[in-house]
Amino acid sequence: QKEVEQNSGPLSVPEGAIASLNCTYSDRGSQSFFWYRQYSGKSPELIMSIYSNGDKEDGRFTAQLNKASQYVSLLIRDSQPSDSATYLCAVNIQGGNTPLVFGKGTRLSVIA
Amino acid sequence: GAVVSQHPSRVICKSGTSVKIECRSLDFQATTMFWYRQFPKKSLMLMATSNEGSKATYEQGVEKDKFLINHASLTLSTLTVTSAHPEDSSFYICSATLTGEGYTFGSGTRLTVV
Repeated sequence: QKEVEQNSGPLSVPEGAIASLNCTYSDRGSQSFFWYRQYSGKSPELIMSIYSNGDKEDGRFTAQLNKASQYVSLLIRDSQPSDSATYLCAVNIQGGNTPLVFGKGTRLSVIA
Repeated sequence: GAVVSQHPSRVICKSGTSVKIECRSLDFQATTMFWYRQFPKKSLMLMATSNEGSKATYEQGVEKDKFLINHASLTLSTLTVTSAHPEDSSFYICSATLTGEGYTFGSGTRLTVV
């Protein structure tokens, strides 16, 4: 069974600190990887996508992918209270226009 | 970027009635759309994959006769919850993918069946 695993949290970090969110996936052939942020009662919002090994940075966010370890992470620098949300890791396992498989999400709480 | 419009955002219906949810891709053609359901404090669960001009592909455990999906055009997919019951109350979200743009989600529909 194709699985995407995340620690459900909650993960609490002080304002200004680095938040580190982790995700592992079971299918070694997975093609592309996404991090979404979801506020309570709202739809997921795309934060980052990553397709190849290494780091990808966008503002305060850095996604890291290690296909050999089947591991993808999201770092949030200078965390703000507005970053408090649930972060969903999603994987496109089969490629093309196939659906994403989601992890259960990690709830992040940034304490002011 | 790609935008997906979903309506209604919130609906309350009586048990036994049907509810239709619309998902439109704005400014792009979505040959494939996905429908998810999310219960409180749970992750998104894929219900079905909707392909324009053909029958939807349903995930195991999802009743295709209860959750009717129609994808009659490249910009519109609809999900109809038929004979809704309180256990169908959930957050329903559609998603479309456009090459190079990733996966975009609609704003979601909060269905409450009373």
